[in-house]
Amino acid sequence: AQSVAQPEDQVNVAEGNPLTVKCTYSVSGNPYLFWYVQYPNRGLQFLLKYITGDNLVKGSYGFEAEFNKSQTSFHLKKPSALVSDSALYFCAVRPGSQGNLIFGKGTKLSVKP
Amino acid sequence: ETGVTQTPRHLVMGMTNKKSLKCEQHLGHNAMYWYKQSAKKPLELMFVYNFKEQTENNSVPSRFSPECPNSSHLFLHLHTLQPEDSALYLCASSHTGELFFGEGSRLTVL
Repeated sequence: AQSVAQPEDQVNVAEGNPLTVKCTYSVSGNPYLFWYVQYPNRGLQFLLKYITGDNLVKGSYGFEAEFNKSQTSFHLKKPSALVSDSALYFCAVRPGSQGNLIFGKGTKLSVKP
Repeated sequence: ETGVTQTPRHLVMGMTNKKSLKCEQHLGHNAMYWYKQSAKKPLELMFVYNFKEQTENNSVPSRFSPECPNSSHLFLHLHTLQPEDSALYLCASSHTGELFFGEGSRLTVL
């Protein structure tokens, strides 16, 4: 079955420290991978995507993600966390160019001053 | 501003009421979606429309009735809902890849 796993319900980071939010996937074919962020009482906002090309993808607000085919992972990273990065982060995968996005259950990121 | 507008942002209704959620996208996209987001549960895809035609219905109860009169508008008609239907209902649109979401409609069923 095709799926996305976000193994951590919550990630706690101190402001200024690097952050990583983990995502692994299981799909047939070449995956299209996405990260979204959701602030309280808001909809999901697109952060970045990987379709093909360079394994390191840069996105909005200083975030980046690295596609690792052998480990079937697409972890979200940021070199220096901000308190304003505190939000719910969703990883999603589409099995190829067609089909609907499959979302992970989300990881709550908490950045403390 | 994502280009996808949902109204109302908040709705409280009794189990015997009939109400509707509205979604409008200004992005020229051809596909529109309804998702349900409940506390501590994964995002649930409910309905998908492509060029006004319904292409997916994820076993959604008939008390939820979608309507897509054109590629820019999507409605979710609600009738005789249950308290467990209380959730954030998200509309999204897409053209070639990523989804663009509205801010959601927070529904409370009493």
